[in-house]
Amino acid sequence: SQTIHQWPATLVQPVGSPLSLECTVEGTSNPNLYWYRQAAGRGLQLLFYSVGIGQISSEVPQNLSASRPQDRQFILSSKKLLLSDSGFYLCAWAGLETQYFGPGTRLLVL
Amino acid sequence: AQTVTQSQPEMSVQEAETVTLSCTYDTSENNYYLFWYKQPPSRQMILVIRQEAYKQQNATENRFSVNFQKAAKSFSLKISDSQLGDTAMYFCAWASNYKLTFGKGTLLTVNP
Repeated sequence: SQTIHQWPATLVQPVGSPLSLECTVEGTSNPNLYWYRQAAGRGLQLLFYSVGIGQISSEVPQNLSASRPQDRQFILSSKKLLLSDSGFYLCAWAGLETQYFGPGTRLLVL
Repeated sequence: AQTVTQSQPEMSVQEAETVTLSCTYDTSENNYYLFWYKQPPSRQMILVIRQEAYKQQNATENRFSVNFQKAAKSFSLKISDSQLGDTAMYFCAWASNYKLTFGKGTLLTVNP
């Protein structure tokens, strides 16, 4: 069966520091992968998605970037965090039009 | 652009009763999928139920069922025999070409 991992689970970072969040999927090959952000008490905003290694599509212009160095690895990065980057970040993979989500990373930028 | 609207920001229901959450969507496409996801306080997004637009039969998963009205672009979720563990935020979502569009969610509280 497929499983999706995210780490770290929680992260507190100062403004201006870099960011790297990692997502890995097990049990499937060449999945579509997604990064979402959820602000407190609000819906999900699609940030990036990837249909294959090195293929990244950005949905929302911002100071974040994504990379897919391996088939089942998806990384969300920033060179300099902003206060507005705080939120809950979810990674997902897609199968048969259904997306399955990881446990998420809580990011607090101070 | 596709939109998904959940008109009920919050709802509450007594344990063991039935509750219906509403969702409408707007799309010009004919082939798509609809979902309900549950997000409990842990914030893990959990798939509750899925409906293919080309299927007329409403999807059912144990205590959860949907009322899919394609012409009206309506996709409501009915929870029967509500349990305390059903307390969560519920998101309706529309999908085509592997991209999801989410509604803003309905916070459901099940009271003992």
